[in-house]
Formats: sequence, structure tokens, C-alpha cells
Amino acid sequence: SQQGEEDPQALSIQEGENATMNCSYKTSINNLQWYRQNSGRGLVHLILIRSNEREKHSGRLRVTLDTSKKSSSLLITASRAADTASYFCATDANSGGSNYKLTFGKGTLLTVNP
Amino acid sequence: GAGVSQSPSNKVTEKGKDVELRCDPISGHTALYWYRQSLGQGLEFLIYFQGNSAPDKSGLPSDRFSAERTGGSVSTLTIQRTQQEDSAVYLCASSLSGGTTGELFFGEGSRLTVL
Repeated sequence: SQQGEEDPQALSIQEGENATMNCSYKTSINNLQWYRQNSGRGLVHLILIRSNEREKHSGRLRVTLDTSKKSSSLLITASRAADTASYFCATDANSGGSNYKLTFGKGTLLTVNP
Repeated sequence: GAGVSQSPSNKVTEKGKDVELRCDPISGHTALYWYRQSLGQGLEFLIYFQGNSAPDKSGLPSDRFSAERTGGSVSTLTIQRTQQEDSAVYLCASSLSGGTTGELFFGEGSRLTVL
């Protein structure tokens, strides 16, 4: 079963606008990560936020984490056509002992129109 | 190599045949993961290796699926007696450690089509 669920499933905006994607998860986490996937390619890591952090920035990306609501959001400011991709949140889950695995949601397909 | 390498990039096979998918992780990465992604879907966890051992095989869909890792490096995912529902992109990722702070580095995937 999916640990993280993103919404919306699809988002279409104009270049220059901001894009906000949300992720909800079910169980306690140690950290949450966001990844990007261009069509037909592998995933690329964007940002990691730890459970004791509330907000993190990286360039035009801003991630927030609310552990009480078990949710996170990814904000992309001043979007560009090149930001068109699918965006996934990933949460860690204990696999026994000190082993962890990342489980991914179904992603948000972002389309930025020029 | 500089990144995670997967082969083949594309594989078309007939139902009932066996296939092997290979993953070369980034040198020095102890953790290796296999995921499956069906068209327009998220990533489905298959198996995770820490070194050569697989502490978590919980995602393997059936006993037709198996994976091994040798020398703490290359991994092979084998699907026996393939079925049409096995058609998907199989993604491999590696990370420096299997701890909670591991950023995953993904390969480009192996696209499997079962006719």
C-alpha cells in the first residue's frame, strides 16, 4: 500500500505562476523526501526534510512539513516550462532493525504552459 | 560509473519467458532498491538490499520474482514465466547507506513489455 499520497493528481499552470503540491502520509516518519521525474526518465532527488524540521528551502523550492497532520507541501515559485514533470513524495518506513525503505506516492503531474 | 546504470533499457518478451534485469549501483553505495512503475502510476517497492543481504523482500509480487546482489555491487532482478501484468518500468536506485537519511539515486529504468 502507498504510504504517501500526493494531491492534486494533475496540475496545469502558466509559466511564472507558483505551483503547490501536497503529500499526506499515514505512519510516523524520520524524514520526507521529494523527487521529480521527467517523462520516461528516472527519479531525481529534490529535497529532504527531517521530522523535526518545519520548513526548508532550496532555490525556487519550498517544502513544509506538519507532522501533527502527517502532511507536507512542495511549492515551486516562478515556475518555468522546464519544471514540467511528475513530482513524488517519499517517506521512510522501518524494514526491521536499522533498515529503512522509501515508499512513494502516485505523484502529481505538473504541466507548466509557456 | 558516475550514476546508476540499468540494462537492458528496453526488453520485449513473450509471455512465459524468463527475463533478467541488471542494475549497477554507484560505487560505494551499500543500499540498493528495486521499484516497479506501471504506466502513469507511482513507484511500487519490490526489494531492498543492504550489502548482499535483502532485509526486506516484502514487495516482490509473487514467487516468480527473485533478486540477488553479489559483491555488494551489481544486482539482478529475475522474473520467471513472465505474464502480461509484469509489463512495467523497473527502476533501480542506490544510496550511500540504508539509514533514514539516504537520498536515493535512480537509474533510467528497464522498460519491460510482455506480449
